[in-house]
Amino acid sequence: EADIYQTPRYLVIGTGKKITLECSQTMGHDKMYWYQQDPGMELHLIHYSYGVNSTEKGDLSSESTVSRIRTEHFPLTLESARPSHTSQYLCASSRHGGHEQFFGPGTRLTVL
Amino acid sequence: AQSVTQLGSHVSVSEGALVLLRCNYSSSVPPYLFWYVQYPNQGLQLLLKYTSAATLVKGINGFEAEFKKSETSFHLTKPSAHMSDAAEYFCAVTQAWSGGYNKLIFGAGTRLAVHP
Repeated sequence: EADIYQTPRYLVIGTGKKITLECSQTMGHDKMYWYQQDPGMELHLIHYSYGVNSTEKGDLSSESTVSRIRTEHFPLTLESARPSHTSQYLCASSRHGGHEQFFGPGTRLTVL
Repeated sequence: AQSVTQLGSHVSVSEGALVLLRCNYSSSVPPYLFWYVQYPNQGLQLLLKYTSAATLVKGINGFEAEFKKSETSFHLTKPSAHMSDAAEYFCAVTQAWSGGYNKLIFGAGTRLAVHP
């Protein structure tokens, strides 16, 4: 079944640790996105990718980085986590020319 | 640039009552419009979408929305609320960007509470 996956679903980590949030999709979509969402708040685009080897920063400045080495995989990395990074991170994808985005279940990150 | 305004950050209805969640958009071109639902600790699930076909769009779980160009609105309705409808609802509009990338502009969300 075509879908979009995120791991881990929940992560509690100490300040200064390096973390990678995983996102994979099996729909063959070219475009992938990362959003940050604070509890009860709107979504803010932090990264997106048109395809392999393409990454761009979104509207909200983020200290995270992303990579797109394979079409299906779009991991997000924080080199040194801080409490201000505590949030929910949502990954999404869309096909080329498509307008709707398909979302993963999210990763809720807590940095102590 | 496109923008989305959702009137009412919190809406509370009784079970069985009409649900009405309001969304107004601004767009310089014919828009593509979406309603997404987010249950606690979940990602966003597409409820329905308007893509310039029929102005009345039917979605999942008994929801529907009507595109009104003259009012620049895309309000979400459901005739009879169910307890399981309690969630956060986001309205979104597409904004065309370069490279074939269509950016989704989200509203701030409306939290729907359903009480017995």
